[in-house]
Amino acid sequence: ETGVTQTPRHLVMGMTNKKSLKCEQHLGHNAMYWYKQSAKKPLELMFVYSLEERVENNSVPSRFSPECPNSSHLFLHLHTLQPEDSALYLCASSQDINQPQHFGDGTRLSIL
Amino acid sequence: AQSVTQPDIHITVSEGASLELRCNYSYGATPYLFWYVQSPGQGLQLLLKYFSGDTLVQGIKGFEAEFKRSQSSFNLRKPSVHWSDAAEYFCAVAWGGSYIPTFGRGTSLIVHP
Repeated sequence: ETGVTQTPRHLVMGMTNKKSLKCEQHLGHNAMYWYKQSAKKPLELMFVYSLEERVENNSVPSRFSPECPNSSHLFLHLHTLQPEDSALYLCASSQDINQPQHFGDGTRLSIL
Repeated sequence: AQSVTQPDIHITVSEGASLELRCNYSYGATPYLFWYVQSPGQGLQLLLKYFSGDTLVQGIKGFEAEFKRSQSSFNLRKPSVHWSDAAEYFCAVAWGGSYIPTFGRGTSLIVHP
């Protein structure tokens, strides 16, 4: 049991599609994160929210748009993606910014 | 810039052998230290953490890690590896209370029968 649920688990989309990734946690955590994990590359931090406010944005292209409507939910809206965006997208949450993170199992995204 | 280094990309051990995975970090404020494990098709799972106190910390699945401030290291150890330990291992460091943890590149552990 992970405590952090990501949907969908797999997503195949064309470069012109618009889709959204969803992350949900019911651990009472205050911070939520999006990471990109590509083969043979380090884990890339994309966005961080603390108390529903964005606190970190690591130069992520604007074709990725996060949304945090409440402390339990985090979305990643995707549009006009590129083939190099194919990766595993991981969501995580933690009690506070510097505390251990709980990860979801990820969404495997493939861009055609 | 603050950084986390896991010098070994792959480690191969025989089942039953001991294991040590290395993690070094750049010097900074009192670090918060973490080790995570990722099995194929899954997210990362916390193995153990160090915030303060005893520099030898015990974690889940029989793992332990030792914080050595003088060497800026936080190496992960296990006395006897099981085939199910084959996975990717990530070290993470947060420098001080307001910092988001930085992850190392990961070490892939291969276990031979």
